[in-house]
Amino acid sequence: GENVEQHPSTLSVQEGDSAVIKCTYSDSASNYFPWYKQELGKRPQLIIDIRSNVGEKKDQRIAVTLNKTAKHFSLHITETQPEDSAVYFCAASKGFQKLVFGTGTRLLVSP
Amino acid sequence: NAGVTQTPKFQVLKTGQSMTLQCAQDMNHEYMSWYRQDPGMGLRLIHYSVGAGITDQGEVPNGYNVSRSTTEDFPLRLLSAAPSQTSVYFCASSYSTANEKLFFGSGTQLSVL
Repeated sequence: GENVEQHPSTLSVQEGDSAVIKCTYSDSASNYFPWYKQELGKRPQLIIDIRSNVGEKKDQRIAVTLNKTAKHFSLHITETQPEDSAVYFCAASKGFQKLVFGTGTRLLVSP
Repeated sequence: NAGVTQTPKFQVLKTGQSMTLQCAQDMNHEYMSWYRQDPGMGLRLIHYSVGAGITDQGEVPNGYNVSRSTTEDFPLRLLSAAPSQTSVYFCASSYSTANEKLFFGSGTQLSVL
């Protein structure tokens, strides 16, 4: 089955810096790659997603890039703010039924 | 709309006890799923359903049963709780498939002593 690896497990940045979180997936047939943000004690919420027919997608300060050849995708957050502090999960799906998550990255943005 | 509602929020069980975690959604979503979240292991899929009367196993189904008698409800049953099932459980739903935005419930923190 699909396996998703996520790095780094923790990431500390200064406010205003950029943050990059990387994920690799094992199944070349995977075609859907969402990112979820989970604030402390809260439920995960979708922040951005990308499908395999697109190489990059942006939404204000966040962007996701996909490299199908290398089987990896990344989340980029620019001009980080303290409210960006959270755990971020990448995920991958090759069908319409199972979404497999990475192990998460704890992002800490210091003022 | 209330979205995805999970009950209870907290539960403590003794080894061998049984219980049911409730999940209900009022968005007419066809797809529903259960995940468990453990430190350092992310969210792992337990069971999922693509519609009433249809369920299937995820990555870690052992020790858990599900049923989907209605579109709205997707309960998760622990028949004989074990300490290894101590975790935070999330129910999630989407309109039709796992390849769309998942709406998560608020979670159930379960401790098995």
